[in-house]
Amino acid sequence: DAGVTQSPTHLIKTRGQQVTLRCSPKSGHDTVSWYQQALGQGPQFIFQYYEEEERQRGNFPDRFSGHQFPNYSSELNVNALLLGDSALYLCASSLGLAVADTQYFGPGTRLTVL
Amino acid sequence: LAKTTQPISMDSYEGQEVNITCSHNNIATNDYITWYQQFPSQGPRFIIQGYKTKVTNEVASLFIPADRKSSTLSLPRVSLSDTAVYYCLVGGPNDYKLSFGAGTTVTVRA
Repeated sequence: DAGVTQSPTHLIKTRGQQVTLRCSPKSGHDTVSWYQQALGQGPQFIFQYYEEEERQRGNFPDRFSGHQFPNYSSELNVNALLLGDSALYLCASSLGLAVADTQYFGPGTRLTVL
Repeated sequence: LAKTTQPISMDSYEGQEVNITCSHNNIATNDYITWYQQFPSQGPRFIIQGYKTKVTNEVASLFIPADRKSSTLSLPRVSLSDTAVYYCLVGGPNDYKLSFGAGTTVTVRA
């Protein structure tokens, strides 16, 4: 049973560019959440998708957007990249939307903005 | 979400037991306590979850006193591979935004 997968593993972009990160949830999971983790900090919640809709959102600007497809996979898009967007982007899947529902994390995508 | 407080770092040696205490004074009645482990450049991994008293699995034990205002994650006989950041999270069925603090960096030495 494949766990959560993310692509690409690493990505280098320049300021002002746009990026798309992809996530496939653990088999049977219908909820996908995205997190940003800066170096030395804990993951910060970006948003959560369920039934192809954004259900919850953290304190991130509209430059961060996402999508969930009918097969539950998801994309994270970031427009007008800033140097501060450099981070590890984590995708997590679960069977429910609540904090108490166990989150299964992928290995992450390391984004570097130059 | 209940605010949590845990030590920034802890050092230990191989074979010892490591206990990490998390304070959550404003825990709500319906809240669960969940611990995640994260290795460098990897996503966090669920370790254990509990509501009250004691929970044990093949990896760790979680001790929760009757007032539930704190909890202790116990890692028995740690090895070098247990070096990681450990996060304590508290939330219930109506909390939807998982909030990670800085966590506790546990360093196990030979």
